[in-house]
Amino acid sequence: EVQLVESGGGLVQPGRSLRLSCAASGFTFDDYAMHWVRQAPGKGLEWVSGISWNSGSIGYADSVKGRFTISRDNAKNSLYLQMNSLRAEDTALYYCAKLGLEWLLYGWFDPWGQGTLVTVSS
Amino acid sequence: QSALTQPASVSGSPGQSITISCTGTSSDVGGYNYVSWYQQHPGKAPKLMIYEVSNRPSGVSNRFSGSKSGNTASLTISGLQAEDEADYYCSSYTSSIKVVFGGGTKLTVL
Repeated sequence: EVQLVESGGGLVQPGRSLRLSCAASGFTFDDYAMHWVRQAPGKGLEWVSGISWNSGSIGYADSVKGRFTISRDNAKNSLYLQMNSLRAEDTALYYCAKLGLEWLLYGWFDPWGQGTLVTVSS
Repeated sequence: QSALTQPASVSGSPGQSITISCTGTSSDVGGYNYVSWYQQHPGKAPKLMIYEVSNRPSGVSNRFSGSKSGNTASLTISGLQAEDEADYYCSSYTSSIKVVFGGGTKLTVL
């Protein structure tokens, strides 16, 4: 069974940093691109970033470009999101999601983790 | 890049069929077949219901179907059941920001 477990969320002050992690199991991690999608409280889904299977291709939403960095460690079956210069509008539940097909960077997301909550507030 | 346009809410009675639309542009929905649909129950993670416009993942009921015409994709749920009550989101690959979601549609089963 594919499992994605996010961690690292919490309460952080504006301007500070936070690093999210996603531990993957149940599939060949280094065959698939991985993505982060967030959902602000009571709001819809917003794609944040994606990274190809070999880290050779990376994409970011304009809202986080230059502040967030996505990375992965295939030896540890783990995905990361380094979030710097956090803003109140970054407050959201951050989901880790596996791409639904091998090798490509973009497509559909299946499955999703349960999310980790990031709250940016003073 | 604006989100794809979905109706805020739709409703139907048990046994009926409903359709949720998802309107984009030729740079996203109209230009690619990477349109997907997700179901989200309160407090739960999104679940893939349809991928590549009209394909159903294993385990998803055949009451769920997807289609596309021009810049608008649609999700149809037939034989509505109480368990279908949830939020539904469409998503598409885009030539600019790469992934865009719709604003979400709240489905109420009356």
